[in-house]
Amino acid sequence: DAMVIQNPRYQVTQFGKPVTLSCSQTLNHNVMYWYQQKSSQAPKLLFHYYDKDFNNEADTPDNFQSRRPNTSFCFLDIRSPGLGDAAMYLCATSRAGQRSNQPQHFGDGTRLSIL
Amino acid sequence: AQSVTQPDIHITVSEGASLELRCNYSYGATPYLFWYVQSPGQGLQLLLKYFSGDTLVQGIKGFEAEFKRSQSSFNLRKPSVHWSDAAEYFCAVGPFSGGYNKLIFGAGTRLAVHP
Repeated sequence: DAMVIQNPRYQVTQFGKPVTLSCSQTLNHNVMYWYQQKSSQAPKLLFHYYDKDFNNEADTPDNFQSRRPNTSFCFLDIRSPGLGDAAMYLCATSRAGQRSNQPQHFGDGTRLSIL
Repeated sequence: AQSVTQPDIHITVSEGASLELRCNYSYGATPYLFWYVQSPGQGLQLLLKYFSGDTLVQGIKGFEAEFKRSQSSFNLRKPSVHWSDAAEYFCAVGPFSGGYNKLIFGAGTRLAVHP
């Protein structure tokens, strides 16, 4: 089935040690999003790619970066994770178009823990 | 500014009882509205969406929602709740710009179902 796949499901890293989370999709959607969801909170959009164009949210810390080498893959890089970055990270995709009202499709998330 | 309010943080219902989850939004133009459900440790699954047309929309798993412009509301309903409906429910508004929606989520309502 076409879907959004996030790897790994659980990631543990050390304070300050760079970490990369992965998202892939078989939907051939041109927009990919990364959300941060802390415990018992709503998902918060960090940034998104529309094709190769990167769009950062104004309040996303510089510590968070993203790469999209091709349509199918998108990575979230946290350069120096702090304890406050422990969260569930959700990847989503959607198809954009002039009159496209397509909803976002979410992966199952990666839960990041910081030691 | 666009925002979504879900007034109820927690709701508990008995299995077989009816359910209504409240959602109010603030948006300057015609909103694109969504309800997502999240089971523990999982990503978000789309229940239903409203873009235009009939104000009563049907979704998956027996859910429906009604858009009321005069009340700026998009409440989710289900006539008879099943134990498997226990989850977190997020209402979202998606400003449509550049050919796609960027979702703004409410804080969520956690639903517990008593047998």
